[in-house]
Amino acid sequence: AAGVIQSPRHLIKEKRETATLKCYPIPRHDTVYWYQQGPGQDPQFLISFYEKMQSDKGSIPDRFSAQQFSDYHSELNMSSLELGDSALYFCASTRSGAVNTEAFFGQGTRLTVV
Amino acid sequence: GQQVMQIPQYQHVQEGEDFTTYCNSSTTLSNIQWYKQRPGGHPVFLIQLVKSGEVKKQKRLTFQFGEAKKNSSLHITATQTTDVGTYFCAGHGNNFNKFYFGSGTKLNVKP
Repeated sequence: AAGVIQSPRHLIKEKRETATLKCYPIPRHDTVYWYQQGPGQDPQFLISFYEKMQSDKGSIPDRFSAQQFSDYHSELNMSSLELGDSALYFCASTRSGAVNTEAFFGQGTRLTVV
Repeated sequence: GQQVMQIPQYQHVQEGEDFTTYCNSSTTLSNIQWYKQRPGGHPVFLIQLVKSGEVKKQKRLTFQFGEAKKNSSLHITATQTTDVGTYFCAGHGNNFNKFYFGSGTKLNVKP
């Protein structure tokens, strides 16, 4: 079965550069969540989208922005990167309207800022 | 805002000992889900509980959803080294567009 696809899997950027992370949800999933997981930490919710509209916002820095496109894939844009942005970024997708659906996670993008 | 907390943060046990992690939400959840993340991996769905007071078992794992639907527990009987990982609870609030992750409990099992 198709899973949540994230690209790239690994990314190395220098400080003050920009990065774009992509997430392709499972077919027919209309809700995407982005999480940031620092070393040894639990996933921190960044932002979510439902039907191409932002549905909830967590601890996402102003330097980051995200959107969901018509094909339901989502992109997380990160500018003016800082060393502290180094983390594993997960996206997860669910199907809303189907009550109590589980979330499927991608394998994550490991971002290293040097 | 909604917060989902887990205790303990870390647990080290000897193989064969039992393990329990507790999950508490500041508000009522529509459901509770449990995920396991192996070192270097991504969270993988284990189970979902929906009903107040519900109890489900998966082999050595027992999951419980509290009567008020604000807390949950995961109990592992006779841990094995394959149980090593971080266990997260998560759940939907009343608005199903909000999905909250617990802070996780990292389990280490010594052989």
